[in-house]
Amino acid sequence: GAVVSQHPSWVICKSGTSVKIECRSLDFQATTMFWYRQFPKQSLMLMATSNEGSKATYEQGVEKDKFLINHASLTLSTLTVTSAHPEDSSFYICSAWTGLSGANVLTFGAGSRLTVL
Amino acid sequence: SQQGEEDPQALSIQEGENATMNCSYKTSINNLQWYRQNSGRGLVHLILIRSNEREKHSGRLRVTLDTSKKSSSLLITASRAADTASYFCATAGIGGRRALTFGSGTRLQVQP
Repeated sequence: GAVVSQHPSWVICKSGTSVKIECRSLDFQATTMFWYRQFPKQSLMLMATSNEGSKATYEQGVEKDKFLINHASLTLSTLTVTSAHPEDSSFYICSAWTGLSGANVLTFGAGSRLTVL
Repeated sequence: SQQGEEDPQALSIQEGENATMNCSYKTSINNLQWYRQNSGRGLVHLILIRSNEREKHSGRLRVTLDTSKKSSSLLITASRAADTASYFCATAGIGGRRALTFGSGTRLQVQP
């Protein structure tokens, strides 16, 4: 079945540094990917929609200069957390459409846990 | 933004018992889906029910959908310790392949 690979699975960084998270579709092409953020014991909040070859669409309240998204190919989207601060510590999960044509089934990456010291 | 609420927030049962989780949503939908998340991991798709369907089965899973009440339920029968996870409902809006909106989730603990 379709697989979405996300890397790294966890990262610890110092405040002020930037961190890049990669999301790859391994055996299919993904023109659209979604980035979600999840705080402990909470639900997933959509951050942005990543579109291959064009600018990402950010949800209200998400700083596009803080969370840079690049979708340069049909199999790779990246999320860069710039000048990270402790409040950016969270679980970030990417996803892409798979499944039946017309059905909105998402396949998720395993997630990346970011801890900013 | 979060679509709606799930209840209970947490559920603890013994192996072999059935687990029922409920989900409410706010807007018109194309379909509703249930996902499972093991601690610290990504989500896995369990089952999808379309807006014109009322009930669907998949193995030990049974999903119902009541669009008039904007609610859904997930029943896991004969639960196993391996079913311990968080379960989220997610809705797909009408028109286009947009992102899913997730409910608040139910944390299920199945005691062996």
